[in-house]
Amino acid sequence: QKEVEQDPGPLSVPEGAIVSLNCTYSNSAFQYFMWYRQYSRKGPELLMYTYSSGNKEDGRFTAQVDKSSKYISLFIRDSQPSDSATYLCAIEYGAGNNRKLIWGLGTSLAVNP
Amino acid sequence: DTGVSQDPRHKITKRGQNVTFRCDPISEHNRLYWYRQTLGQGPEFLTYFQNEAQLEKSRLLSDRFSAERPKGSFSTLEIQRTEQGDSAMYLCASSLDRGLSGANVLTFGAGSRLTVL
Repeated sequence: QKEVEQDPGPLSVPEGAIVSLNCTYSNSAFQYFMWYRQYSRKGPELLMYTYSSGNKEDGRFTAQVDKSSKYISLFIRDSQPSDSATYLCAIEYGAGNNRKLIWGLGTSLAVNP
Repeated sequence: DTGVSQDPRHKITKRGQNVTFRCDPISEHNRLYWYRQTLGQGPEFLTYFQNEAQLEKSRLLSDRFSAERPKGSFSTLEIQRTEQGDSAMYLCASSLDRGLSGANVLTFGAGSRLTVL
């Protein structure tokens, strides 16, 4: 079993839809839960990250963490064609020079006008 | 500051040739990372530096790969005797080490795409 599992999609939705992207993880020591967005032929860019269970909202984006189920989600409300990209979950654990970052495969999202 | 810069953006080479990629991180960032990414995969860790010290190198990295960060500023990644399996996007990222607290947030460059013929 991989430490972080993410459905690669592709996911195709109409403009305005609510999008749900998910990852599961296996290590309860994981601390920070991050979502990166990657446009084609670009490097990933951080959207948001959370530390504890619960929700964190930033505009149309909401990150949700359920530590009891080892499940994280990213919701996109009122999706736009400009949201078309690959969304990568990344989970960090450890401290100092021993920090590790484990990446999901990424989910490819297409928002159709 | 314009973010993390990588050069070249695309390199096409023949098998057996050496290639070098350069990364200029965000100036105040003390950590610098190299990743490799292939289509449909997440970034694969290669190595990272804290200032000029190379603190970790992936066991997956063969001896043909070497990275340097002289003076703790820019970094270079060299691949010797390239193979077709080396074809990938090579991503550089930098971050500011916050010690024991806070997430280690990476800022990525646009990547250097390598095609080995």
